[in-house]
Amino acid sequence: KNEVEQSPQNLTAQEGEFITINCSYSVGISALHWLQQHPGGGIVSLFMLSSGKKKHGRLIATINIQEKHSSLHITASHPRDSAVYICAVKSLSGSARQLTFGSGTQLTVLP
Amino acid sequence: NAGVTQTPKFRVLKTGQSMTLLCAQDMNHEYMYWYRQDPGMGLRLIHYSVGEGTTAKGEVPDGYNVSRLKKQNFLLGLESAAPSQTSVYFCASSLPRDTYEQYFGPGTRLTVT
Repeated sequence: KNEVEQSPQNLTAQEGEFITINCSYSVGISALHWLQQHPGGGIVSLFMLSSGKKKHGRLIATINIQEKHSSLHITASHPRDSAVYICAVKSLSGSARQLTFGSGTQLTVLP
Repeated sequence: NAGVTQTPKFRVLKTGQSMTLLCAQDMNHEYMYWYRQDPGMGLRLIHYSVGEGTTAKGEVPDGYNVSRLKKQNFLLGLESAAPSQTSVYFCASSLPRDTYEQYFGPGTRLTVT
């Protein structure tokens, strides 16, 4: 069974700090997704990665396929970044169409 | 565009009651999914559909049924609700490639007493 592990589970930062959230997985994948779940519950997709690095505004996502590891970085963090960040992977094997999700990282950015 | 909408937003059921959750998307997506989210656990796939008239089981399908009679709608049914089905349910849709991003609905919070 593919497991997706995120660390840390909870993270509190001061406004302006550089933040890193990590995701490790155990099998070969075709894609990795980073999602954000707002305090109100809504979930939005931030990135889809199959290799390398992607950047969108203050968010940067990287993936190392050989090490089975991905990181999500937030530069110049802001209180509005407070949310749960979720990593999900699409395994090369197993059920088609099925993503396996991590349990999320709760980020709180204090003003 | 409304994106993905879910009805209802909240519901309380008694054990043994039945209900249907409705998911609708206006993005002409082929793929649709139903997930449940429980505290301390990642989202888990209940059922999914790769097109109108087709459905398939996900990771945790027991106790649920689904139907996709129209491309834009995906229904999730609970025939006899149990307290273990207390959860937040999310619907999502995507274009017909596994690596495409999924668009999520706002969620339905269901409590079974």
